[in-house]
Parts: sequence; structure tokens; C-alpha cells
Amino acid sequence: GAVVSQHPSWVICKSGTSVKIECRSLDFQATTMFWYRQFPKQSLMLMATSNEGSKATYEQGVEKDKFLINHASLTLSTLTVTSAHPEDSSFYICSARDQRTNTIYFGEGSWLTVV
Amino acid sequence: GQQVMQIPQYQHVQEGEDFTTYCNSSTTLSNIQWYKQRPGGHPVFLIQLVKSGEVKKQKRLTFQFGEAKKNSSLHITATQTTDVGTYFCAGRGAGGTSYGKLTFGQGTILTVHP
Repeated sequence: GAVVSQHPSWVICKSGTSVKIECRSLDFQATTMFWYRQFPKQSLMLMATSNEGSKATYEQGVEKDKFLINHASLTLSTLTVTSAHPEDSSFYICSARDQRTNTIYFGEGSWLTVV
Repeated sequence: GQQVMQIPQYQHVQEGEDFTTYCNSSTTLSNIQWYKQRPGGHPVFLIQLVKSGEVKKQKRLTFQFGEAKKNSSLHITATQTTDVGTYFCAGRGAGGTSYGKLTFGQGTILTVHP
């Protein structure tokens, strides 16, 4: 079964509202989690690296005030898309690094549709 | 839930030898994607297969999608040292509770000895 749980799998929100996506490691502790965005038939675009207990490291071009990342515990990172717009509609996926084995596990992704 | 098993976990080859990694899904997939991740890097999209029985080639890489759309393989002919990295498959669920979900395999770590 999945070792990284991502929730929700599907979410529809109204333009201007905020939506939170959770990434949870189920059987291991993850000091580092990664958030990606994927456009159809394109690669995973790294948005940010989430570090437990400290601020996330954002990739160039990613608005940190728009995509809020919180990594409050060793098993949970959240991505909040604030003031969502239709162009934010996409597939978002997280991954988590098992700090004990250094293995990376992926969540199953979240489809966000902003209407 | 949907599970994607990828084997082998590790593969060590001599430069010039061939390499194959296999993925098997517990459920039917709408498509399967393949990624390569270099050490210290992030997954880079290689290809997406959609059709049953599809075979696609990229230079020395051959990708296959099974007839039942539940398994796939990546074959590299005559490996080079630049091929080192972790190869992931990721299957998109076709229906039921797996619909739309992208499930990654565990990855195959390829090392190539010159």
C-alpha cells in the first residue's frame, strides 16, 4: 500500500479561495518533502523543498506567498494554494524522503480545478 | 489501493550491456509514465505510454506498455555511464477509486561500470 498519503485526490474550488493539500508519510519520518506540479505530458516541475521545522526552499519563479508550505511535523507537509485562479488548476504531487533509508516515496497526487 | 511494483530494485551492469526494468500494476492503467532521476536530482519525464501494446523508442531506450495496460518495461540497449540513475515508472489509474491517481513504482537504481 501507499507509504505516502496525499489528500485530497480531487478538489474543485472557486476562484479567489484557498485550498490546502496534505502530504503525509505513513510509516516513516521525513525531514524533507518535495512538492511538484505537473502539466499534461510534461515533467514534474519542482515547486519547493519542504524542510521540517524550517522554511521551505522555493524554486525560482514559484511565488512563496501564493503557494504556502508548512512542514510542522516529521510526517506531514501541507501545500496551500492561496487566492486560487484558474491557471493554478493542475496536478500537484508530493514526495517524501525516508530519513532512515534515504529512499524517496511519492504521493498519488492531487488534481486541483479552480472554477 | 492501486499498487505499482517495479523490479529489480538495483541493477549493476558493465558498460555496453543491456538493461531492463519492469513495472506491474495491480489495476488497469490509463497511461504509464517513465522518469529518470540522476543522483541528487529530481525526476525527469522521459515518456508517456497510452495505448495497449504500445512500443516507443528514444534512441537506445525502448518503452513498452502491455496489452492489458497493467505492465510496462523500459529497456536500454548498450548502456553508457551517462545512463546511471534511478528509473521510475508511474501509472495513472484508469477507474474506480484509483481513477486519476499517479502511483510511482519504487524505482530501479542503475549503476554502470566503465
